Amino acid sequence: DTGVSQDPRHKITKRGQNVTFRCDPISEHNRLYWYRQTLGQGPEFLTYFQNEAQLEKSRLLSDRFSAERPKGSFSTLEIQRTEQGDSAMYLCASSLGGAEGTNYGYTFGSGTRLTVV
Amino acid sequence: GDSVTQMEGPVTLSEEAFLTINCTYTATGYPSLFWYVQYPGEGLQLLLKATKADDKGSNKGFEATYRKETTSFHLEKGSVQVSDSAVYFCALSGVYNFNKFYFGSGTKLNVKP
Repeated sequence: DTGVSQDPRHKITKRGQNVTFRCDPISEHNRLYWYRQTLGQGPEFLTYFQNEAQLEKSRLLSDRFSAERPKGSFSTLEIQRTEQGDSAMYLCASSLGGAEGTNYGYTFGSGTRLTVV
Repeated sequence: GDSVTQMEGPVTLSEEAFLTINCTYTATGYPSLFWYVQYPGEGLQLLLKATKADDKGSNKGFEATYRKETTSFHLEKGSVQVSDSAVYFCALSGVYNFNKFYFGSGTKLNVKP
């Protein structure tokens, strides 16, 4: 098991372009999360999936953002019509969810750093 | 709502010095509390955690005790090393929502030889 993998590690894009990031969770983990981390700040929750179902979305996730997790395995996060304010590190995490909302083995990936110019 | 406040950095120490990074939280009930560490260019790694009041989390010489009466979870280490230089994040997982973490803004630690 190689942990949570994110691709690409870095992305530079022009304002107005669309970008897509991929996250491959730990294989036995049923929950997958996306966070955004801006410079000098802690990560902020964006959304999470249990298997293929997207169960919660933050108000930070504007309508330009969409996340999917087809087949409950890898996930993609797409940002349409990027803006300079979207520049941040996008972190993916996965966990094995248990009963009553418990979580075991919550693991973060190394992130995708997005720069919008 | 739930939130975490931690001391601002950077914190600069000499090797073998004692470390304290303060963290306080606001939450309803008894959340789970965590310290994560982030090395340059890497993701967050769980350092330690505590899930109920008076629990002490420990790992790699770091310790933190869950204090309900002061709503605190301060990180301590008796003797820091250069390799401990990183950014440290305090976080909580809510009582009613175990699937979301609230992070502090991070404290950068620089340890000089």
